[in-house]
Amino acid sequence: ETGVTQTPRHLVMGMTNKKSLKCEQHLGHNAMYWYKQSAKKPLELMFVYSLEERVENNSVPSRFSPECPNSSHLFLHLHTLQPEDSALYLCASSQGTGGSEKLFFGSGTQLSVL
Amino acid sequence: ILNVEQSPQSLHVQEGDSTNFTCSFPSSNFYALHWYRWETAKSPEALFVMTLNGDEKKKGRISATLNTKEGYSYLYIKGSQPEDSATYLCACRPSNTGKLIFGQGTTLQVKP
Repeated sequence: ETGVTQTPRHLVMGMTNKKSLKCEQHLGHNAMYWYKQSAKKPLELMFVYSLEERVENNSVPSRFSPECPNSSHLFLHLHTLQPEDSALYLCASSQGTGGSEKLFFGSGTQLSVL
Repeated sequence: ILNVEQSPQSLHVQEGDSTNFTCSFPSSNFYALHWYRWETAKSPEALFVMTLNGDEKKKGRISATLNTKEGYSYLYIKGSQPEDSATYLCACRPSNTGKLIFGQGTTLQVKP
């Protein structure tokens, strides 16, 4: 148990659906992240929130919309996704974003877009 | 674009063997190097974060070294056990304002 919980674990959606991924951390951290892992590719940073403000948006298409209502919760809203968006989406948290803090990851949501 | 390379891509060893993997990164503008272990169906788990040239870290049978001048880090596992089977990820932070760039990982399989 890492202290970072993601739901759902698996999600299948059509290209016209709207769904949301949820992440909650119980570690008292002040930074949260969304990462994407596509098949045979490295983990790719999507968004970073520090103290509930978005500090990094790594050229992610607008069909992915993050929301961070407080320092413990992070959402990723999905709409009109494409089949190539099928991937594992990982949430992580850390105490600060200085660069030497360890990331604590959730178990991920395996997303399939049909 | 910063490239973090890990080798080998995969490795099969017998229980009791010692093994090591390599993480290569551009040596210019280096800030931090992270190692994570990712077991199947679990979350990636942080092993080490290193920032100084010559750093050595140890956690049980696992240790890591860092050479920032030549741009590489080694991860060593002494006396591999089946429970060490996992994908080992390294990630480099090029500066204290840059993002963490992950390598593709080395997948280790330890046979009993």
